[in-house]
Amino acid sequence: NAGVTQTPKFQVLKTGQSMTLQCAQDMNHEYMSWYRQDPGMGLRLIHYSVGAGITDQGEVPNGYNVSRSTTEDFPLRLLSAAPSQTSVYFCASSLGRTNEKLFFGSGTQLSVL
Amino acid sequence: GENVEQHPSTLSVQEGDSAVIKCTYSDSASNYFPWYKQELGKRPQLIIDIRSNVGEKKDQRIAVTLNKTAKHFSLHITETQPEDSAVYFCAASLLYSGAGSYQLTFGKGTKLSVIP
Repeated sequence: NAGVTQTPKFQVLKTGQSMTLQCAQDMNHEYMSWYRQDPGMGLRLIHYSVGAGITDQGEVPNGYNVSRSTTEDFPLRLLSAAPSQTSVYFCASSLGRTNEKLFFGSGTQLSVL
Repeated sequence: GENVEQHPSTLSVQEGDSAVIKCTYSDSASNYFPWYKQELGKRPQLIIDIRSNVGEKKDQRIAVTLNKTAKHFSLHITETQPEDSAVYFCAASLLYSGAGSYQLTFGKGTKLSVIP
């Protein structure tokens, strides 16, 4: 099992550009989520999904879109990147439909210039 | 929504001493309290978790205690070792009795340094 795989590991964008952060898990986990980590702020939930076709907003959803067409994949789309979106992004999944015992991916370091 | 406060933000201990990190939460309905460890440049990893129907849980050198009345929970690490140096995050969530959960809210983290 690869666990939770995130790509890319690093990305630099210009303000206004769009991009998609990829997240895939091979553990047949129902729950998947995206967090952003900023210095001194802990981890903040962006969006989450409790199964294919079901998504919901977290604490900081503005500027981001998600979709869940399959159990395995949960991409995060930045529609028009802003410097405030410079952060480390983590995808996490868990067995079942709850956020109990999250497995995190290795993260994506995103810089928006 | 839930608010989780974590203290201290930094903690230095001598190798072999104990370390205690404390968290308070605001929503009395929260019933699930995990702790994650994040080494420098790595992903967060779950080290221990507790549900509100349990007051204390231990796993080797790590223990978590929960006081529902006061709405606080703590991580205790005994006989600390240099490899315990990391950032530790507490979190709180409401797990429903069936499937589903409210969002997991994290504290801002504690940087633990274990001095050899």
